[in-house]
Amino acid sequence: GENVEQHPSTLSVQEGDSAVIKCTYSDSASNYFPWYKQELGKRPQLIIDIRSNVGEKKDQRIAVTLNKTAKHFSLHITETQPEDSAVYFCAASSIGGRSQGNLIFGKGTKLSVKP
Amino acid sequence: NAGVTQTPKFRILKIGQSMTLQCAQDMNHNYMYWYRQDPGMGLKLIYYSVGAGITDKGEVPNGYNVSRSTTEDFPLRLELAAPSQTSVYFCASSDNLRTSRGTEAFFGQGTRLTVV
Repeated sequence: GENVEQHPSTLSVQEGDSAVIKCTYSDSASNYFPWYKQELGKRPQLIIDIRSNVGEKKDQRIAVTLNKTAKHFSLHITETQPEDSAVYFCAASSIGGRSQGNLIFGKGTKLSVKP
Repeated sequence: NAGVTQTPKFRILKIGQSMTLQCAQDMNHNYMYWYRQDPGMGLKLIYYSVGAGITDKGEVPNGYNVSRSTTEDFPLRLELAAPSQTSVYFCASSDNLRTSRGTEAFFGQGTRLTVV
């Protein structure tokens, strides 16, 4: 089955700096890669996602890149703000075939943005 | 618009007791999921369902059972509670991921379960 590895587990940056979180996946059939943000004591919420037919996607200060050949994808947050502090999870899923619907998450990255 | 509703929010169980965690969604989503999140850890997939009458095991299914008799409901059953099942449980739903509009998985608010 799918296995998603996420690094780093913790990341501390100064306000205004950029933050990068990287994930790798094992199942070449995976073709949907979302990123979720979870604030303390709250439910995870989607912040951005990408499908395998796209190499990069951007939404304001957040961008995601995907390298299907290397089976890795990354989250980039620019101009970080204290409210970006949270745990970020990457995930992978196949939207076709036998394993469709099997949404597997990485272990998370705790991002701390220092004012 | 309620989204994904989980009950109860908190529960304390004694070892060996059983219980059902309820999950309901009102978005007509085909896909539903159950995850557990241990302190400081990621989300582990317990079971998932791609439609009514269809369920599949995830990464950590042992000790749990599910059913999907309707599109709206996806209850999770713990038969013989063990301390290792102490965790926060999240239910989620999404539209068919094949479609361009159906990508986001919406999560319930979680159930904090303690087994003593």
